[in-house]
Amino acid sequence: KAGVTQTPRYLIKTRGQQVTLSCSPISGHRSVSWYQQTPGQGLQFLFEYFSETQRNKGNFPGRFSGRQFSNSRSEMNVSTLELGDSALYLCASSLIAGSEQYFGPGTRLTVT
Amino acid sequence: DQQVKQNSPSLSVQEGRISILNCDYTNSMFDYFLWYKKYPAEGPTFLISISSIKDKNEDGRFTVFLNKSAKHLSLHIVPSQPGDSAVYFCAAQTDTGKLIFGQGTTLQVKP
Repeated sequence: KAGVTQTPRYLIKTRGQQVTLSCSPISGHRSVSWYQQTPGQGLQFLFEYFSETQRNKGNFPGRFSGRQFSNSRSEMNVSTLELGDSALYLCASSLIAGSEQYFGPGTRLTVT
Repeated sequence: DQQVKQNSPSLSVQEGRISILNCDYTNSMFDYFLWYKKYPAEGPTFLISISSIKDKNEDGRFTVFLNKSAKHLSLHIVPSQPGDSAVYFCAAQTDTGKLIFGQGTTLQVKP
């Protein structure tokens, strides 16, 4: 069974631009969560989607948004990029909300 | 407000010895804890978990201990192997299923 895939793997953007990251969960998984990893901060929860509905949300500004499609694929969008948004963005899928999470390899976003 | 803390950014041990990674949490409502391991260029992978009804859980070379009164958990790896070198994250699961992670500890096991 294929694992969680994230595209693109690497991305360089400039301040003020926007970016969309994509996550394809493990087949059959209906819950997708997004995390931001930065040095010294660990993994910080962004949001979770289950059956196309946002179920949980972390403490990030409204510039960070996401959505989930009917095939459980998810996208996250960051608008008006700031230098501090440079991070590894990880997506995790689980069978149902609250069950064991399986992580993708992440998208490394660099904002210059 | 860091609800889950790993105060040691790094740890270095000799192959064959014990590795002890520590984690503290502040919210006494947390009742399920997990450890993840992360290699460079890969996502975290689940290692071991423990429920608050237990104080110890063992899986091969990995044992997690939970001290609820101290709000402290630790991961023991015995014996440590060079392939264990990675970043280790502890996480607490909230009642809504959200995972709250610590900052991570980089373990280096020297041959």
